[in-house]
Amino acid sequence: QVQLVQSGAEVKKPGASVKVSCKASGYNFNDYYIDWVRQAPGHGLEWLGWINAHTAFTHYAQQFQGRVTMTRDTSISTVYMELDRLTSDDTAIYYCARVCTGGSCGWLAPWGQGTLVTVS
Amino acid sequence: DIQMTQSPSTMSALVGDRVTITCRASETISSWLAWYQQKPGKAPSLLLYKASNLESGVPPRFSGSGSGTEFTLTISGLQPDDFAIYYCQQYKGYPRTFGQGTKVEIK
Repeated sequence: QVQLVQSGAEVKKPGASVKVSCKASGYNFNDYYIDWVRQAPGHGLEWLGWINAHTAFTHYAQQFQGRVTMTRDTSISTVYMELDRLTSDDTAIYYCARVCTGGSCGWLAPWGQGTLVTVS
Repeated sequence: DIQMTQSPSTMSALVGDRVTITCRASETISSWLAWYQQKPGKAPSLLLYKASNLESGVPPRFSGSGSGTEFTLTISGLQPDDFAIYYCQQYKGYPRTFGQGTKVEIK
């Protein structure tokens, strides 16, 4: 079945960087985008951006431009999200989610299990 | 950015009730809207896409309607497993944006 499995929880100091991985299985990795969404404790959902798994082209939310980098390794069907210059406001659960590549696409399914990043 | 506003923020309902959640967009998004369900400690899960298309495996008691700026999610015959938080999300423009969520609680 289609599955996204993320790396484990991280604790980082303010000013540090974090890199979260998302390993895909059960489908053709190159046929989809991977989006990243975060959820601060007790809060709603915030979209960070996407990466085209085939071309590695990325699109980031403006508020994260210059601070987020999404990459992929097709040999192991894995996508990475790195966030720099962390502050306490970046404490959140980070999710990856699959998105189809057609012009009418944009819904996220399935989602990874989430990775808690704590900045303290 | 396209702002998504859900109402109500919280609601109490009984098993068997018909529940309706509204999502309004700050500008027209055609039918480029998805609905998700999130249970405590879990990732969100897709219910519907393109406003009214049921995701495979989702029970047919969930339905969606609307286009333009106003959308609804209806649960016909609330089940114990349905008590959760529901989010709408637009994918008409960037950045993708979500509603603030509607918590469905047991009355």
